[in-house]
Amino acid sequence: EDQVTQSPEALRLQEGESSSLNCSYTVSGLRGLFWYRQDPGKGPEFLFTLYSAGEEKEKERLKATLTKKESFLHITAPKPEDSATYLCAVQALGGGSQGNLIFGKGTKLSVKP
Amino acid sequence: DGGITQSPKYLFRKEGQNVTLSCEQNLNHDAMYWYRQDPGQGLRLIYYSQIVNDFQKGDIAEGYSVSREKKESFPLTVTSAQKNPTAFYLCASWDRGPYGYTFGSGTRLTVV
Repeated sequence: EDQVTQSPEALRLQEGESSSLNCSYTVSGLRGLFWYRQDPGKGPEFLFTLYSAGEEKEKERLKATLTKKESFLHITAPKPEDSATYLCAVQALGGGSQGNLIFGKGTKLSVKP
Repeated sequence: DGGITQSPKYLFRKEGQNVTLSCEQNLNHDAMYWYRQDPGQGLRLIYYSQIVNDFQKGDIAEGYSVSREKKESFPLTVTSAQKNPTAFYLCASWDRGPYGYTFGSGTRLTVV
């Protein structure tokens, strides 16, 4: 069964304390892996798409990386405004899950000043 | 600007009442989705539609109904058969492109 697991469920950081969020996945074949940011009471917003192992994408203090089994979202020198829930989703090859995205439960990040 | 509009932002439902949540998109996307989000449970798929006049049940379709009469619109009805409807509801659309789903801003439904 196609599955996405995110860890940790919650992460508390001090401002400037770098860390990583993990997204591990089991799919028959990966078409794409997506990262989203969700603020409380709002819909998720797109951050990155990764397609193949070794690929990296960066945006401001965020960098997403991909291996054959997992993806990491690295946060460098985070600021309080980076506090949000980060969601990972995968699309499987071959029509798995009817081609729809499979979401993890998210990691809630809190950055204290 | 293109996007997805969900309305209302807050909705209150009395016991035994049906309510309809609106979702409209002007992105010309074929696929549309409804998700329910509860604390600690992540996104759970209720219904999805990949083309006009066709839709499929997701993982938690019981107590919900949808229609897709127009490409732009995918309303969700929460029926009285849904025993625990209090949740945050998200609508999304997708053109199967590289940016994944585009989400609306959500509707928070509360049973009173």
